Amino acid sequence: DTGVSQNPRHKITKRGQNVTFRCDPISEHNRLYWYRQTLGQGPEFLTYFQNEAQLEKSRLLSDRFSAERPKGSFSTLEIQRTEQGDSAMYLCASSFPNADPSGNTIYFGEGSWLTVV
Amino acid sequence: AQSVSQHNHHVILSEAASLELGCNYSYGGTVNLFWYVQYPGQHLQLLLKYFSGDPLVKGIKGFEAEFIKSKFSFNLRKPSVQWSDTAEYFCAVHLMDTGRRALTFGSGTRLQVQP
Repeated sequence: DTGVSQNPRHKITKRGQNVTFRCDPISEHNRLYWYRQTLGQGPEFLTYFQNEAQLEKSRLLSDRFSAERPKGSFSTLEIQRTEQGDSAMYLCASSFPNADPSGNTIYFGEGSWLTVV
Repeated sequence: AQSVSQHNHHVILSEAASLELGCNYSYGGTVNLFWYVQYPGQHLQLLLKYFSGDPLVKGIKGFEAEFIKSKFSFNLRKPSVQWSDTAEYFCAVHLMDTGRRALTFGSGTRLQVQP
């Protein structure tokens, strides 16, 4: 499978602990996105990278959240001092600008479920 | 703030019934529009998209959607649903004039097709 890969798929952590999620985008996709989805809601945008540059961040991305894409390939999303409100599905997606006129067709991974207890 | 509304939260249909799921957005500028589907236990998949041109777009699995600019709507349709269409459907909008890359999603419509 050459789609967007995320791991771990599930993570249960105690409140106050740090967690890190990894995303491997589709090969050659230089744009990478993180979204968060809670039950009964659609995905909410968190942040966007073009290559290694983080170009856009949502107000949802508090100081406890940090995302990196050091070599322009895989990305990590770290949540420090987790809170129960952080429990959600964290989705990674990628796109390739030359694939369509706006370069904005994005392809999602299966997501990483986070449960903070 | 810009938003996307999907008024039907849960739809139950029998096989062979026709489907129409509503999607409205609040933004006066240029938009790209998408419908994504999430089958049980699977990831979000692109169903269809509108960028420009013919406002009636056709997607996979017999789905189509019509962009009506005057109504700020992008409703999803299928003439005859199958049990395998049971899934959650999300409408999404990209605001082209803002320079932002984020998609804004609606809250989703859960479709249940009964055999």
